[in-house]
Amino acid sequence: KAGVTQTPRYLIKTRGQQVTLSCSPISGHRSVSWYQQTPGQGLQFLFEYFSETQRNKGNFPGRFSGRQFSNSRSEMNVSTLELGDSALYLCASRPSSGTGYVTFGSGTRLTVV
Amino acid sequence: DAKTTQPPSMDCAEGRAANLPCNHSTISGNEYVYWYRQIHSQGPQYIIHGLKNNETNEMASLIITEDRKSSTLILPHATLRDTAVYYCIVKAAGNKLTFGGGTRVLVKP
Repeated sequence: KAGVTQTPRYLIKTRGQQVTLSCSPISGHRSVSWYQQTPGQGLQFLFEYFSETQRNKGNFPGRFSGRQFSNSRSEMNVSTLELGDSALYLCASRPSSGTGYVTFGSGTRLTVV
Repeated sequence: DAKTTQPPSMDCAEGRAANLPCNHSTISGNEYVYWYRQIHSQGPQYIIHGLKNNETNEMASLIITEDRKSSTLILPHATLRDTAVYYCIVKAAGNKLTFGGGTRVLVKP
Protein backbone atom coordinates (compact mmCIF):
# COMPACT_ATOMS: atom_id res chain seq x y z
CA LYS A 1 0.00 0.00 0.00
CA ALA A 2 1.10 3.58 -0.57
CA GLY A 3 3.23 5.23 2.08
CA VAL A 4 3.04 8.69 3.56
CA THR A 5 3.08 11.25 0.76
CA GLN A 6 4.39 14.76 1.25
CA THR A 7 4.23 17.61 -1.23
CA PRO A 8 6.09 19.50 -2.40
CA ARG A 9 9.45 17.76 -2.08
CA TYR A 10 11.45 21.00 -2.23
CA LEU A 11 10.45 24.60 -1.63
CA ILE A 12 12.26 27.93 -1.62
CA LYS A 13 10.61 30.90 0.08
CA THR A 14 11.60 34.42 1.03
CA ARG A 15 11.75 35.74 4.58
CA GLY A 16 8.38 37.08 5.70
CA GLN A 17 6.37 34.87 3.39
CA GLN A 18 4.15 32.06 4.54
CA VAL A 19 4.18 28.45 3.38
CA THR A 20 1.80 25.49 3.44
CA LEU A 21 3.01 21.90 3.32
CA SER A 22 0.79 18.95 2.58
CA CYS A 23 0.72 15.38 3.83
CA SER A 24 -1.37 12.37 2.88
CA PRO A 25 -1.14 9.59 5.46
CA ILE A 26 -1.22 5.87 4.83
CA SER A 27 -4.75 4.77 4.02
CA GLY A 28 -6.60 3.98 7.22
CA HIS A 29 -4.24 5.93 9.46
CA ARG A 30 -6.07 8.67 11.35
CA SER A 31 -3.16 10.02 13.35
CA VAL A 32 -0.79 12.43 11.61
CA SER A 33 2.20 14.12 13.19
CA TRP A 34 4.75 16.64 11.96
CA TYR A 35 8.44 16.97 12.77
CA GLN A 36 11.11 19.52 11.95
CA GLN A 37 14.70 18.48 11.35
CA THR A 38 17.60 20.92 11.34
CA PRO A 39 21.33 20.28 11.66
CA GLY A 40 21.47 22.19 14.93
CA GLN A 41 18.37 20.92 16.73
CA GLY A 42 17.92 17.49 15.21
CA LEU A 43 14.47 15.95 14.83
CA GLN A 44 11.84 17.81 16.85
CA PHE A 45 8.15 17.12 17.24
CA LEU A 46 5.84 19.88 16.02
CA PHE A 47 2.30 18.60 16.55
CA GLU A 48 -0.03 15.64 16.16
CA TYR A 49 -3.56 15.48 14.83
CA PHE A 50 -6.17 12.80 15.27
CA SER A 51 -9.66 12.95 13.80
CA GLU A 52 -9.19 16.62 12.88
CA THR A 53 -8.18 17.60 16.44
CA GLN A 54 -4.75 18.64 17.59
CA ARG A 55 -3.81 16.16 20.27
CA ASN A 56 -0.26 17.13 21.12
CA LYS A 57 1.97 20.10 20.43
CA GLY A 58 5.70 20.61 20.61
CA ASN A 59 7.58 23.68 21.74
CA PHE A 60 7.32 25.86 18.65
CA PRO A 61 6.06 29.42 18.23
CA GLY A 62 2.53 30.16 17.11
CA ARG A 63 3.78 30.84 13.58
CA PHE A 64 3.68 27.08 13.14
CA SER A 65 0.19 25.71 12.79
CA GLY A 66 -1.52 22.75 11.26
CA ARG A 67 -4.82 21.17 10.53
CA GLN A 68 -6.28 17.86 9.55
CA PHE A 69 -9.16 17.21 7.21
CA SER A 70 -11.93 14.66 7.46
CA ASN A 71 -10.06 12.36 5.06
CA SER A 72 -7.06 12.46 7.47
CA ARG A 73 -4.94 14.49 5.08
CA SER A 74 -3.01 17.18 6.91
CA GLU A 75 -1.40 20.51 6.20
CA MET A 76 1.04 22.53 8.18
CA ASN A 77 1.52 26.25 7.77
CA VAL A 78 4.39 28.48 8.75
CA SER A 79 3.74 32.21 8.65
CA THR A 80 6.23 35.07 8.59
CA LEU A 81 9.08 32.81 7.60
CA GLU A 82 12.50 33.29 9.18
CA LEU A 83 15.85 32.06 7.94
CA GLY A 84 15.93 29.60 10.85
CA ASP A 85 12.83 27.89 9.55
CA SER A 86 14.91 26.32 6.81
CA ALA A 87 14.63 22.62 7.55
CA LEU A 88 13.40 19.23 6.48
CA TYR A 89 9.75 18.95 7.50
CA LEU A 90 8.59 15.41 8.03
CA CYS A 91 5.07 14.10 8.24
CA ALA A 92 4.28 10.76 9.82
CA SER A 93 1.18 8.65 10.32
CA ARG A 94 0.30 5.71 12.49
CA PRO A 95 -2.61 3.36 13.08
CA SER A 96 -5.32 4.57 15.42
CA SER A 97 -4.98 1.85 17.98
CA GLY A 98 -2.61 -0.73 19.31
CA THR A 99 1.14 -0.49 19.22
CA GLY A 100 1.43 0.17 15.51
CA TYR A 101 4.53 2.06 14.60
CA VAL A 102 4.86 5.50 13.05
CA THR A 103 5.68 5.68 9.34
CA PHE A 104 7.41 8.75 7.97
CA GLY A 105 7.17 10.42 4.61
CA SER A 106 10.19 11.56 2.62
CA GLY A 107 9.80 15.11 3.85
CA THR A 108 9.64 18.59 2.37
CA ARG A 109 12.93 20.47 2.21
CA LEU A 110 12.16 24.13 2.91
CA THR A 111 14.78 26.76 2.24
CA VAL A 112 14.13 30.32 3.40
CA VAL A 113 16.25 32.98 1.70
CA ASP B 1 9.11 9.13 27.86
CA ALA B 2 12.35 7.62 29.10
CA LYS B 3 15.66 9.05 27.94
CA THR B 4 17.99 6.89 25.86
CA THR B 5 21.78 6.90 25.54
CA GLN B 6 23.53 5.71 22.39
CA PRO B 7 27.14 5.90 21.23
CA PRO B 8 27.52 8.77 18.74
CA SER B 9 29.16 6.68 16.06
CA MET B 10 30.41 3.25 15.15
CA ASP B 11 31.97 1.51 12.16
CA CYS B 12 31.09 -1.90 10.88
CA ALA B 13 32.63 -4.16 8.22
CA GLU B 14 30.43 -5.08 5.30
CA GLY B 15 29.03 -8.59 5.71
CA ARG B 16 29.56 -8.65 9.45
CA ALA B 17 26.92 -8.26 12.12
CA ALA B 18 26.41 -4.76 13.50
CA ASN B 19 25.44 -4.56 17.17
CA LEU B 20 24.03 -1.20 18.21
CA PRO B 21 23.62 -0.65 21.95
CA CYS B 22 21.08 1.56 23.68
CA ASN B 23 20.70 2.34 27.36
CA HIS B 24 17.30 3.27 28.76
CA SER B 25 17.65 2.77 32.50
CA THR B 26 14.52 4.82 33.39
CA ILE B 27 12.17 2.89 31.13
CA SER B 28 8.66 2.38 32.51
CA GLY B 29 6.63 -0.79 32.36
CA ASN B 30 4.35 0.43 29.58
CA GLU B 31 7.09 1.85 27.37
CA TYR B 32 8.25 0.16 24.21
CA VAL B 33 11.70 0.28 22.64
CA TYR B 34 11.59 1.46 19.02
CA TRP B 35 14.41 1.61 16.50
CA TYR B 36 14.43 3.83 13.45
CA ARG B 37 17.15 4.71 11.01
CA GLN B 38 17.62 7.68 8.75
CA ILE B 39 19.63 7.66 5.58
CA HIS B 40 20.82 11.09 4.59
CA SER B 41 17.99 13.54 3.87
CA GLN B 42 15.30 10.87 3.84
CA GLY B 43 12.52 10.34 6.36
CA PRO B 44 13.29 8.01 9.27
CA GLN B 45 12.58 4.38 8.49
CA TYR B 46 11.01 2.08 11.06
CA ILE B 47 13.14 -0.98 11.84
CA ILE B 48 11.68 -2.85 14.78
CA HIS B 49 10.13 -2.44 18.21
CA GLY B 50 9.56 -4.51 21.33
CA LEU B 51 8.29 -4.43 24.88
CA LYS B 52 10.22 -7.11 26.76
CA ASN B 53 10.65 -10.11 24.50
CA ASN B 54 13.33 -10.31 21.86
CA GLU B 55 12.01 -9.54 18.39
CA THR B 56 13.18 -10.38 14.89
CA ASN B 57 12.01 -9.29 11.49
CA GLU B 58 13.43 -9.23 7.98
CA MET B 59 15.60 -6.22 8.77
CA ALA B 60 17.01 -6.81 12.22
CA SER B 61 16.80 -8.39 15.65
CA LEU B 62 16.10 -6.58 18.89
CA ILE B 63 17.49 -7.95 22.10
CA ILE B 64 16.10 -6.43 25.31
CA THR B 65 17.73 -7.25 28.63
CA GLU B 66 15.62 -8.91 31.28
CA ASP B 67 15.54 -5.76 33.43
CA ARG B 68 14.68 -3.74 30.26
CA LYS B 69 17.30 -1.13 31.10
CA SER B 70 19.14 -1.65 27.84
CA SER B 71 18.73 -3.15 24.40
CA THR B 72 20.77 -4.05 21.33
CA LEU B 73 19.78 -3.77 17.71
CA ILE B 74 21.47 -6.38 15.56
CA LEU B 75 21.87 -6.02 11.81
CA PRO B 76 22.91 -9.57 10.95
CA HIS B 77 24.83 -8.95 7.73
CA ALA B 78 25.58 -5.27 7.29
CA THR B 79 25.67 -3.89 3.76
CA LEU B 80 26.86 -0.51 2.49
CA ARG B 81 23.19 0.53 2.27
CA ASP B 82 22.90 0.14 6.05
CA THR B 83 25.06 3.24 6.50
CA ALA B 84 22.71 5.60 8.35
CA VAL B 85 21.92 7.25 11.67
CA TYR B 86 20.15 4.79 13.97
CA TYR B 87 17.78 6.07 16.64
CA CYS B 88 16.70 4.19 19.73
CA ILE B 89 13.47 5.61 21.16
CA VAL B 90 11.56 4.60 24.25
CA LYS B 91 7.92 5.60 24.46
CA ALA B 92 4.50 4.47 25.50
CA ALA B 93 2.12 3.41 22.75
CA GLY B 94 0.56 6.41 21.09
CA ASN B 95 3.01 8.97 22.43
CA LYS B 96 5.07 11.17 20.19
CA LEU B 97 8.57 10.12 19.19
CA THR B 98 11.40 11.94 20.94
CA PHE B 99 14.60 11.64 18.92
CA GLY B 100 18.03 11.92 20.49
CA GLY B 101 21.29 12.17 18.62
CA GLY B 102 21.32 8.54 17.50
CA THR B 103 24.31 6.45 16.42
CA ARG B 104 25.94 7.24 13.11
CA VAL B 105 26.82 3.85 11.61
CA LEU B 106 29.34 3.65 8.79
CA VAL B 107 29.54 0.31 7.01
CA LYS B 108 32.92 -0.09 5.37
CA PRO B 109 33.79 -2.43 2.50
